[in-house]
Amino acid sequence: AQSVSQHNHHVILSEAASLELGCNYSYGGTVNLFWYVQYPGQHLQLLLKYFSGDPLVKGIKGFEAEFIKSKFSFNLRKPSVQWSDTAEYFCAVNFMEYGNKLVFGAGTILRVKS
Amino acid sequence: AAGVIQSPRHLIKEKRETATLKCYPIPRHDTVYWYQQGPGQDPQFLISFYEKMQSDKGSIPDRFSAQQFSDYHSELNMSSLELGDSALYFCASSRRDSGDNEQFFGPGTRLTVL
Repeated sequence: AQSVSQHNHHVILSEAASLELGCNYSYGGTVNLFWYVQYPGQHLQLLLKYFSGDPLVKGIKGFEAEFIKSKFSFNLRKPSVQWSDTAEYFCAVNFMEYGNKLVFGAGTILRVKS
Repeated sequence: AAGVIQSPRHLIKEKRETATLKCYPIPRHDTVYWYQQGPGQDPQFLISFYEKMQSDKGSIPDRFSAQQFSDYHSELNMSSLELGDSALYFCASSRRDSGDNEQFFGPGTRLTVL
């Protein structure tokens, strides 16, 4: 079965610290990859996406992610977090051979201390 | 820019009652997806529609049904509600010819079953 794993469920960082959130998926076929952010009480917002081309993708708010096909990974990074980055982050994968639905990871709750 | 609209935003029902959730996709989007996010959980795919036909089915209970109408809006009908159906229900829409299956999420309907 297709699955998505996020390595950390809770992360606490101080402002200006660097962030890396891990995401691995279970499948070796063609995938589209996404990171969504969910601020408290709000809906999912797209941070960035990868579907082809340069494996290093840049998104909004200074986030970036790198697709490493050999490791089935799509880790999210930000060089310097801000208090306003406090949110829950979801990695999502579209396993294209299995339709268009997204399979989400369990999410990582990030708390940034000011 | 127009976003995905969901109504109602909040709904409180008693056990064994029925509920109808509505989703209005972004204009010119032809695909609608429904996801269920339980408390502290990741979104789980329920069902999707493309051009008014069911295109994929996930972990949707038999008590639930859904359809997409000629104007592309979708309704999720939930009967014999159970306490465990309390969750945030997201609708997302996309355009099949976009190439990357980016899904745009609505604000969600928070269903509470008492």
